[in-house]
Amino acid sequence: GAGVSQTPSNKVTEKGKYVELRCDPISGHTALYWYRQSLGQGPEFLIYFQGTGAADDSGLPNDRFFAVRPEGSVSTLKIQRTERGDSAVYLCASSLGQGAWETQYFGPGTRLLVL
Amino acid sequence: GDSVTQMEGPVTLSEEAFLTINCTYTATGYPSLFWYVQYPGEGLQLLLKATKADDKGSNKGFEATYRKETTSFHLEKGSVQVSDSAVYFCALSYGGATNKLIFGTGTLLAVQP
Repeated sequence: GAGVSQTPSNKVTEKGKYVELRCDPISGHTALYWYRQSLGQGPEFLIYFQGTGAADDSGLPNDRFFAVRPEGSVSTLKIQRTERGDSAVYLCASSLGQGAWETQYFGPGTRLLVL
Repeated sequence: GDSVTQMEGPVTLSEEAFLTINCTYTATGYPSLFWYVQYPGEGLQLLLKATKADDKGSNKGFEATYRKETTSFHLEKGSVQVSDSAVYFCALSYGGATNKLIFGTGTLLAVQP
């Protein structure tokens, strides 16, 4: 079956603009995660959804970042008033459940560049 | 807070050499431990995992043992191949309400023929 997909694969925007990043998880996976990976670093957690609700949004850096998952499947990460420091690869992952043993399956990422 | 520390890279080896990539963690509880790998041009994928102390995870000739006494989860492989060249990430997770993965900074492995 299909893996996690993310669109767009690349996004270039100007400082101050609004962007939306989309994630399509593996069908049937109830848990969905967003991470951000800066160059030379490991992924950093942003937000975790169980179903439609955000179970943990402690990684969102500030109120310019927001994510939704209205029907418990596709998720959108929204960034308002983008800043150059937001430039990174945004990764989405999904898992079948929420146990500590669950494998998270990652998408290819969206590379965001803020000019 | 919880954290993962990996040895810095790059690690450069000749084909068929023995590989060790060190990983230690700081945790307030008893997490599951993971190694993820990112091959050039590809996304992150799970390499192996261990869910409790003394468990050994293994896959594709790679092994790692969950050592609670030394808070370590070192990755080993007896004979590396050029195709093993990638970035390797050690990570931990508790699952449940805080189901996030906490990653190390990654270790680049370059295997030369």
